[in-house]
Amino acid sequence: QITLKESGPTLVKPTQTLTLTCTFSGFSLNVSGVGVGWIRQSPGEALEWLTLIYWDDDKRYSPSLKGRLTIAKGTSKNQVVLTMTDMDPVDTATYYCAHTSGGDSGLDFWGRGTQVTVSS
Amino acid sequence: QPVLTQPPSASASLGASVTLTCTLSSGYSNYKVDWYQQRPGEGPRFVMRVATGGIVGSKGDGIPDRFSVLGSGLNRYLTIKNIQEEDESDYHCGADHGSGSNFVYVFGTGTKVTVL
Repeated sequence: QITLKESGPTLVKPTQTLTLTCTFSGFSLNVSGVGVGWIRQSPGEALEWLTLIYWDDDKRYSPSLKGRLTIAKGTSKNQVVLTMTDMDPVDTATYYCAHTSGGDSGLDFWGRGTQVTVSS
Repeated sequence: QPVLTQPPSASASLGASVTLTCTLSSGYSNYKVDWYQQRPGEGPRFVMRVATGGIVGSKGDGIPDRFSVLGSGLNRYLTIKNIQEEDESDYHCGADHGSGSNFVYVFGTGTKVTVL
């Protein structure tokens, strides 16, 4: 059974750096084709894809946020870490991590999300 | 990159059917689209992927048989037959585009489904 869970601060100040961790179980990020991505949803807004990391450490970033995002495998083999710099109130959102098997697979398993508020 | 357009809302009476539409922007008629269900207060849940030939791969975990998809031209459809109260959700469509450093994944704005 594949599960993912997001964790991190609920409140950050403007200009600070946000670090979120996705802890997963039921799959290995060392298996060919597998990836973990981050997606966010601001209140009342559409889902927005942020970034994706694959089993071979290949990474993809949203062009609109590329300079602010870093995705990496965690020190634990069942974690992926998202870092977003220079946080702004418009970055207030629920942040989700999701699994993909690659190829013709969508984002087929999601976490419940973690709420992040940016405010001074 | 493609733009995905979804109507903001749809409704159906309990036990009836509803068809949701996700429309790709011009020039992207060969693209596959993913459907996601998001119940209030929950994270999205993968429903299935659809191309012009129909479903691609398998349905998401626990998705009932009354959910089905079709594709035609620029449109990708999700049909829910015998709609139940638990189907009341936001439904999002998404699609990947490009490869390598040009890869992006785009979402539509979502359709809120109300069960009457």
